[in-house]
Amino acid sequence: EPEVTQTPSHQVTQMGQEVILRCVPISNHLYFYWYRQILGQKVEFLVSFYNNEISEKSEIFDDQFSVERPDGSNFTLKIRSTKLEDSAMYFCASSVDRSYTDTQYFGPGTRLTVL
Amino acid sequence: AQKITQTQPGMFVQEKEAVTLDCTYDTSDPSYGLFWYKQPSSGEMIFLIYQGSYDQQNATEGRYSLNFQKARKSANLVISASQLGDSAMYFCAMRENTGTASKLTFGTGTRLQVTL
Repeated sequence: EPEVTQTPSHQVTQMGQEVILRCVPISNHLYFYWYRQILGQKVEFLVSFYNNEISEKSEIFDDQFSVERPDGSNFTLKIRSTKLEDSAMYFCASSVDRSYTDTQYFGPGTRLTVL
Repeated sequence: AQKITQTQPGMFVQEKEAVTLDCTYDTSDPSYGLFWYKQPSSGEMIFLIYQGSYDQQNATEGRYSLNFQKARKSANLVISASQLGDSAMYFCAMRENTGTASKLTFGTGTRLQVTL
């Protein structure tokens, strides 16, 4: 069964460093998403991406965040200058279309720890 | 107002018993989808079941069923014949028919512990 994959599973970085989180969405999916979950809290939407453009972003997704689809398979989230409060689990998700009836499938997550 | 409310931070159930996890939602959009995800201790988010706002029948997927009461704006997850492997966090989420790629909005989750 096709699945969303994410690398690395765990990333430790120093405050102020740049990190890139990588995702490979399900191959026939067209819409891609990043969510984050601070430890013990609910999952929060960051950004959605379609046709090489950001479709929607939350207020969390400020100028230090960026997303890219550098090739036909990868979808990346870059955090330019990490802060302590960026420590969280980051989930990539994908769906076939944007309809409210369509399921978003999640990857296993990348746990980011900022020291 | 919270869009998704899960009032049970933790629940216990005995193995082989049924359990209901509560979820209420708030939206003015007539078109929306409700989803349940399971998050085991390993951290991944596993899709369980979906209910559309226009669906006439309650959704079922194996041991999972959704008790959808539209007038009450509730979408409770029922797990029948609980197993030890059902111990996990369970999140209710909603996808509205707005925006350009309709994001999921999650509740705070319910931690289910299945006991012997």
